[in-house]
Amino acid sequence: NAGVTQTPKFRVLKTGQSMTLLCAQDMNHEYMYWYRQDPGMGLRLIHYSVGEGTTAKGEVPDGYNVSRLKKQNFLLGLESAAPSQTSVYFCASKDGSLFNQPQHFGDGTRLSIL
Amino acid sequence: AQKITQTQPGMFVQEKEAVTLDCTYDTSDPSYGLFWYKQPSSGEMIFLIYQGSYDQQNATEGRYSLNFQKARKSANLVISASQLGDSAMYFCAMREPNTGNQFYFGTGTSLTVIP
Repeated sequence: NAGVTQTPKFRVLKTGQSMTLLCAQDMNHEYMYWYRQDPGMGLRLIHYSVGEGTTAKGEVPDGYNVSRLKKQNFLLGLESAAPSQTSVYFCASKDGSLFNQPQHFGDGTRLSIL
Repeated sequence: AQKITQTQPGMFVQEKEAVTLDCTYDTSDPSYGLFWYKQPSSGEMIFLIYQGSYDQQNATEGRYSLNFQKARKSANLVISASQLGDSAMYFCAMREPNTGNQFYFGTGTSLTVIP
C-alpha cells in the first residue's frame, strides 16, 4: 500500500521562484493536511481540507496556497518562495468518519530556499 | 496560549528501563482526543497511541501506555523496557471538535536510549 505519497522529496529553490508540492493518498480519506516542521517548533498546520473542493487556513497559511480538485490529491503552492519557507513539509490524511482515527503521514519534502 | 506543551526537549534512558515523556494540553472542550507520534531519524511520522477524553481507562499499545490525568490536563507517554530503536523524536498532539478538524502538535521530545 502506498498510503500517502509526497512529490518531490527534495527541492532547492531560489528566492522568488514558485513551485507546487503534490500529496496523493490512496486510502479514500476525506481529510488532508499540510504541515511544516522546523527545528524546535514541532509541526505547524499550514492549510487543510475536509473534502474535495474545500480548503481552510491553519496556523501558518501566509505565503502558501492550496487546492483540492480531486479527493486523492492535495497541492501546496508557493507563489514566490522566501528563505523563511525553508522547511520540511509533511502531508497527512485522515479518515473523516471516526474522531479517534490518527493522521497518516507522507515521508516529507525537504525544501531549501536560497 | 499553547494548546500542547512538551517541556522536555531531550531525554535519556538506559536500555530496558522505562521512561515517561510529558505532555500537557489546554482546552475548554470536554470532548477531545490525544495522540502520540514517533519520528525516527529517517523522518517519517509513526502513530503510537490514542486517548479519548471520555475513555475510562488509560490507553495501552504494547510497550506504550498513557498516563492520562484529566484534571491535570496531562497525557504522558510511558515507554516500558526501552529499546535502542526507541531513540527518536516523540510528538504529542490533540484534536478538539470545536476547532474543526485541526490537530495541534507539541514541539516534541528527543529520546535517546543508551545501551
